[in-house]
Amino acid sequence: GENVEQHPSTLSVQEGDSAVIKCTYSDSASNYFPWYKQELGKGPQLIIDIRSNVGEKKDQRIAVTLNKTAKHFSLHITETQPEDSAVYFCAAILNQAGTALIFGKGTTLSVSS
Amino acid sequence: DVKVTQSSRYLVKRTGEKVFLECVQDMDHENMFWYRQDPGLGLRLIYFSYDVKMKEKGDIPEGYSVSREKKERFSLILESASTNQTSMYLCASTLSGGSEAFFGQGTRLTVV
Repeated sequence: GENVEQHPSTLSVQEGDSAVIKCTYSDSASNYFPWYKQELGKGPQLIIDIRSNVGEKKDQRIAVTLNKTAKHFSLHITETQPEDSAVYFCAAILNQAGTALIFGKGTTLSVSS
Repeated sequence: DVKVTQSSRYLVKRTGEKVFLECVQDMDHENMFWYRQDPGLGLRLIYFSYDVKMKEKGDIPEGYSVSREKKERFSLILESASTNQTSMYLCASTLSGGSEAFFGQGTRLTVV
């Protein structure tokens, strides 16, 4: 089955700096790669996703890149703000019936002002 | 507003008790999932269901069972609760395999 590795487990940055979180996956058939943000006391929420036919996707201050050959994908947050402080999870899945999202272990991002 | 609702926010149960965690979604989603969240271990898949009365084991199914009698409801059952099942439990649903997962707010279960 799929296995997702996520690094780093914790990340501390100054407000305004960039943050990068990296994930690798094992199943070359996986074709959907979402990123979730979990704030304290809440369930995770989708912030951005990418499909295997795209190499990069951007939404305002966040972007995701995908390297299918190397089987890794990354989340980039620019101009970080204190409200970006949260736990971030990457995930991977093969988009077909009967499959489930497999998550990385999470990255705790702290943005200090 | 789309919603996944878990029946309890906090639960305290005794060792050996049978425990039911309930999850309801109002989005007519096909797939429902139960994850367990522990510090440093991320979100681990316990069971999931892609249709009524269908279930599939995830990575850590031991000590758990599930029930999906109606499309909107997915229950997680701890047949005989143990202290190592103290954890945060998260329910999620998706319309299809490669679509956004919507999570409930979580149930923090403590087994004493």
